[in-house]
Amino acid sequence: AQSVAQPEDQVNVAEGNPLTVKCTYSVSGNPYLFWYVQYPNRGLQFLLKYITGDNLVKGSYGFEAEFNKSQTSFHLKKPSALVSDSALYFCAVSSYTGGFKTIFGAGTRLFVKA
Amino acid sequence: GAGVSQSPSNKVTEKGKDVELRCDPISGHTALYWYRQSLGQGLEFLIYFQGNSAPDKSGLPSDRFSAERTGGSVSTLTIQRTQQEDSAVYLCASSLSLAGGGNEQFFGPGTRLTVL
Repeated sequence: AQSVAQPEDQVNVAEGNPLTVKCTYSVSGNPYLFWYVQYPNRGLQFLLKYITGDNLVKGSYGFEAEFNKSQTSFHLKKPSALVSDSALYFCAVSSYTGGFKTIFGAGTRLFVKA
Repeated sequence: GAGVSQSPSNKVTEKGKDVELRCDPISGHTALYWYRQSLGQGLEFLIYFQGNSAPDKSGLPSDRFSAERTGGSVSTLTIQRTQQEDSAVYLCASSLSLAGGGNEQFFGPGTRLTVL
C-alpha cells in the first residue's frame, strides 16, 4: 500500500538556523513527490516537486528538498529559517500504480522562534 | 488570474440533511481533486476527475458521498444524510492535467462543514 510518513508532528528551530522537515514514502513504481505549505487561515500552497532528474530540487521561498531513492526519503530543507516560515508543511506523493492517487502525510508544524 | 474557488466557505447543517459543496477550478485545468481534512489530521484523498470522468470512486468514505463534474469545469460534492463524523474541511484542487501525475495541485480555500 502507498503511504507517506512525516515522523515529526512539530519541529522547532531558531531564526537563522537551518531547518529540516522529514518525509519518507512507500510507493510502487516511480513516485512524484511534492511539498505543500499551509499558512494560518490560508489555503495549501505548492512549494516544490520532484519528478525526475536532479535529486536536489529548489522551490519557493528558499526551500529545497533532496530525493533519496535508497532511503525513500524526500526531506524539506532551508539553510536559514525565518519566523515567517512558521506553518504546517505537508509531504505528498502521486502515483499511478493501482489507479491514480495522491497521498498526503499527516503534516509537520514548524515553529521558528525569533 | 483567479484561483480555485469554493462555496460556501462555511456550512452548518443538521444531522440527516443533504449538503452540496461547489468547486470552481482554475480555467483551463482539466484535472480536479477533492480532499477532506479533519481537525488535526492530514488530507484524505476522496476523488479525482480527469475532464468530466471520475475513473475511481473508491476513495469516497461511503455511498452517501457522490461527486460530479459537468462541462469539464465546476464540480459538486454531495453528502447525503450527513453524520457528525462528516464534519471537516473539504478541499478542492485543480491541476493542468493528470498526465504523468507530476503536475502540482492548486488548492481552494476549502469549505468548513459542521454537522450538528
